[in-house]
Amino acid sequence: RKEVEQDPGPFNVPEGATVAFNCTYSNSASQSFFWYRQDCRKEPKLLMSVYSSGNEDGRFTAQLNRASQYISLLIRDSKLSDSATYLCVVNMRGTYKYIFGTGTRLKVLA
Amino acid sequence: ETGVTQTPRHLVMGMTNKKSLKCEQHLGHNAMYWYKQSAKKPLELMFVYSLEERVENNSVPSRFSPECPNSSHLFLHLHTLQPEDSALYLCASSQEFRSGGGSYEQYFGPGTRLTVT
Repeated sequence: RKEVEQDPGPFNVPEGATVAFNCTYSNSASQSFFWYRQDCRKEPKLLMSVYSSGNEDGRFTAQLNRASQYISLLIRDSKLSDSATYLCVVNMRGTYKYIFGTGTRLKVLA
Repeated sequence: ETGVTQTPRHLVMGMTNKKSLKCEQHLGHNAMYWYKQSAKKPLELMFVYSLEERVENNSVPSRFSPECPNSSHLFLHLHTLQPEDSALYLCASSQEFRSGGGSYEQYFGPGTRLTVT
């Protein structure tokens, strides 16, 4: 089983739609969780950290479920500019290891 | 954005060449990382430096040699590479937790796209 798993997509959604991605992780010692976005041939950019109580940043909402070992990202009112690959990242407690998922590709269509 | 810079942005080298990749961070972080990103694969951690000391070396072949002269600079020295080493090489930095081990979020440089011929 992969340490971090994501549905690769692509998710093709119309502008204005709401879309949700899930990410599962296998190691219960995982401590910190992040969502990054990566545009084609560019570097990953931090979208948001994921906190235990869940957190929101504008149209983006992240949730953490430690019992089921998954995190989610919800994007409301999708924009064309949201088209990218979304990477789920998990940091292990007491280590410098950041485990990246393979990413979920999102295409927002006009 | 100029938080983490990398040079060169593109590099083509033969298998017998020696080259170096450079990374510089302007964020005051104390940990720096090298990653490799190949097509259709997740990012692979290569090396981690914390306070200029190497703390992770993920079974990377010896043809890749990192160097961290200070907390702001990181190099990756390359020699006798193979075609399968062609990839995007990303540098990142982060601030380590005070208790040691583990960090806050990472910030990435734009990467060096390497082609080995």
